Amino acid sequence: QKEVEQNSGPLSVPEGAIASLNCTYSDRGSQSFFWYRQYSGKSPELIMFIYSNGDKEDGRFTAQLNKASQYVSLLIRDSQPSDSATYLCAVNNRYSNSGYALNFGKGTSLLVTP
Amino acid sequence: DTGVSQDPRHKITKRGQNVTFRCDPISEHNRLYWYRQTLGQGPEFLTYFQNEAQLEKSRLLSDRFSAERPKGSFSTLEIQRTEQGDSAMYLCASSSDMGRYTFGSGTRLTVV
Repeated sequence: QKEVEQNSGPLSVPEGAIASLNCTYSDRGSQSFFWYRQYSGKSPELIMFIYSNGDKEDGRFTAQLNKASQYVSLLIRDSQPSDSATYLCAVNNRYSNSGYALNFGKGTSLLVTP
Repeated sequence: DTGVSQDPRHKITKRGQNVTFRCDPISEHNRLYWYRQTLGQGPEFLTYFQNEAQLEKSRLLSDRFSAERPKGSFSTLEIQRTEQGDSAMYLCASSSDMGRYTFGSGTRLTVV
């Protein structure tokens, strides 16, 4: 069973602070990693993806990957109340045939307080 | 590009009835996925199509579940003899690139 683990939270940070969201995965062969944001009552939307070890920055978001430690993280700088949502970590896993599909964690709930 | 459309948005059914959901993906996307999400959980993979071929089925997908994607366009997910445990949000996603999904708004199923 391939696992993707996240702390369910809630993680509470004050407005303007850095929010740090963490994720670990069990399949050492995984090659691609994704962060999705899901507002309450809405469907997930892609915000970041990372394939190589190291950091990848996009605006206020930075994804970090350490394949040796099987660890992925998402940093949100200058957090805003509008960032309050559940953040889903997803790992692209190979299934028994030739296909791949995302395996999601349970998500971390983030609350940014004014 | 109108995104991924799912129909209906909500479905209430009695236990034992059959239900069918429809997903219209983004037209350029050849990959289509079905997921199920319950409260407090992440989306759980159900099945995956590349064009019209169903390439993967999760062991979560019991014999009561069937999915089709005729001609590689829209897809349907049918649940036969519904059970209360089937109550969930059923999400469809499409992509042209592995992992970069666009999700539909989902179909919320309530089995009473």
